[in-house]
Amino acid sequence: DQQVKQNSPSLSVQEGRISILNCDYTNSMFDYFLWYKKYPAEGPTFLISISSIKDKNEDGRFTVFLNKSAKHLSLHIVPSQPGDSAVYFCAAYSGAGSYQLTFGKGTKLSVIP
Amino acid sequence: DADVTQTPRNRITKTGKRIMLECSQTKGHDRMYWYRQDPGLGLRLIYYSFDVKDINKGEISDGYSVSRQAQAKFSLSLESAIPNQTALYFCATSQGEETQYFGPGTRLLVL
Repeated sequence: DQQVKQNSPSLSVQEGRISILNCDYTNSMFDYFLWYKKYPAEGPTFLISISSIKDKNEDGRFTVFLNKSAKHLSLHIVPSQPGDSAVYFCAAYSGAGSYQLTFGKGTKLSVIP
Repeated sequence: DADVTQTPRNRITKTGKRIMLECSQTKGHDRMYWYRQDPGLGLRLIYYSFDVKDINKGEISDGYSVSRQAQAKFSLSLESAIPNQTALYFCATSQGEETQYFGPGTRLLVL
């Protein structure tokens, strides 16, 4: 059973527009959420995170929103740039558990110049 | 220099062979992890280690073993490789429960 779901395998966005990547989770014990970005032939790199005590975290062009009641989070990228083209993974863990990260399957973002 | 390195970066082997993937880190982190990624799937945890004397199985440990030789080194072994272990393997490190940092990956093909 997939505990972290990214239902959109791919997303195309025009340069300068907003990219919205979505993630749903089923495990109510998750209390920390992260987004990783992955370029081909490289390992995932940490992008931004959010604790369950918050509903929004911002870092430059990247903002993560968390809706605990809906068990949903989203990553907004504004404005989108061609260099943002990558696979984005949503991940979560429970601080009350063993801090094992559970990953979604990823969404491939293509930003079109 | 990269903080988390993996060797080899690419490897082709035959069914039944023993193979070891190595990971080294210079970040001074206490925790190390091994993940595998298959096409269309997210990363799945194979093994993790919270310190040199602590080894734990992850979600998909069958067919794999690990060794934490030192704080900075964590090796993954496939005792008898099989084709469905063909995947991209990533090592990661973290300091406590903080953010995990990933190596560049090892692409393994088992024929």
